[in-house]
Amino acid sequence: NAGVMQNPRHLVRRRGQEARLRCSPMKGHSHVYWYRQLPEEGLKFMVYLQKENIIDESGMPKERFSAEFPKEGPSILRIQQVVRGDSAAYFCASSMDAYGYTFGSGTRLTVV
Amino acid sequence: LAKTTQPISMDSYEGQEVNITCSHNNIATNDYITWYQQFPSQGPRFIIQGYKTKVTNEVASLFIPADRKSSTLSLPRVSLSDTAVYYCLVGDNAAGNKLTFGGGTRVLVKP
Repeated sequence: NAGVMQNPRHLVRRRGQEARLRCSPMKGHSHVYWYRQLPEEGLKFMVYLQKENIIDESGMPKERFSAEFPKEGPSILRIQQVVRGDSAAYFCASSMDAYGYTFGSGTRLTVV
Repeated sequence: LAKTTQPISMDSYEGQEVNITCSHNNIATNDYITWYQQFPSQGPRFIIQGYKTKVTNEVASLFIPADRKSSTLSLPRVSLSDTAVYYCLVGDNAAGNKLTFGGGTRVLVKP
């Protein structure tokens, strides 16, 4: 029973490029959350999705960031025209209907 | 969302018990207290959750006084591999509620 799978683990992008981060939730989990962690800081909520729906995107920057969780396939966090300030660890978590968030190992994005 | 306050860092030695206290003065009636552990380059991992009194599992114990305005995570007989950041979170247990992480407590276990 695989946990939450995130890929890639490490991603390097030049300023202005696009970054695509993928998250496959645990089997049976229909809720997906994305968090961002800057160095030496705690995790900050970005977005909460269920299949084909964005439920809460209050933590997402207004521009350049988008997320989806299609009916088939992984959840995708997309960052367009990346800037150095986007360099961070991005974590995905999933949960079943009521309890138990499980986090993936994260994607470390470095913008050069 | 209830705000939490916990020490920035703590040092300990192998074999000792580590107690981390978290303050959450404005905890709501429906809120649970949850602790996560995070190793470098990994995602947070659930340790323990409680509502009141005492909860114990194979990893830790959680002590919650009657007023629920604070809680203490107890790690018995720590080893070097327990060096990590420990986060105290307070919130409604319902799915869809985003977790609010503070700065956490960096625990360093020395030989």
